[in-house]
Amino acid sequence: RKEVEQDPGPFNVPEGATVAFNCTYSNSASQSFFWYRQDCRKEPKLLMSVYSSGNEDGRFTAQLNRASQYISLLIRDSKLSDSATYLCVVMASKIIFGSGTRLSIRP
Amino acid sequence: NAGVTQTPKFQVLKTGQSMTLQCAQDMNHEYMSWYRQDPGMGLRLIHYSVGAGITDQGEVPNGYNVSRSTTEDFPLRLLSAAPSQTSVYFCASRPLWTGKQPQHFGDGTRLSIL
Repeated sequence: RKEVEQDPGPFNVPEGATVAFNCTYSNSASQSFFWYRQDCRKEPKLLMSVYSSGNEDGRFTAQLNRASQYISLLIRDSKLSDSATYLCVVMASKIIFGSGTRLSIRP
Repeated sequence: NAGVTQTPKFQVLKTGQSMTLQCAQDMNHEYMSWYRQDPGMGLRLIHYSVGAGITDQGEVPNGYNVSRSTTEDFPLRLLSAAPSQTSVYFCASRPLWTGKQPQHFGDGTRLSIL
């Protein structure tokens, strides 16, 4: 079993839609969680950290469920510019990336 | 503010050749790591280091060596390149003991093995 698993997608949704991704992790000692965004042929860039209480940044909401060992990302009112691959990241003694979920927003 | 610098940006090697990918950071970060990313896939951890003189294996360490003689530098060595090592390589760094700090990534090295 992979340490961090994501639905690879692709998700193809119309502009303005709400889309959600989940990510599960196997190491219960994991301490920190992040969502990264990666555009084609570019390096990953931090989208947002994920806190136990849930956190929101504009149209993006991240949630952490420690009991079930998953994190989620919700994007509301999606824009064309949201098209990218979204990577979940789990940090324990080392930092492990999920394989990413591809999102494509259509006009 | 240079951040994480990777060199070279592109490289083509022949099977069996050796090569060192360079990574340097100027943020005094203790934690540094190397990932590879194959087409359509996520990042897989090759090796990481929590400080000078300390390295450890990640998910896919075979065929790669690393060393960490200084805080700033974390080179990745391919001893005998194989076509399966064709990939994009990313180096990253972060402070070690500041829980929510994310990783800073270099621009990547695109490596092709013929």
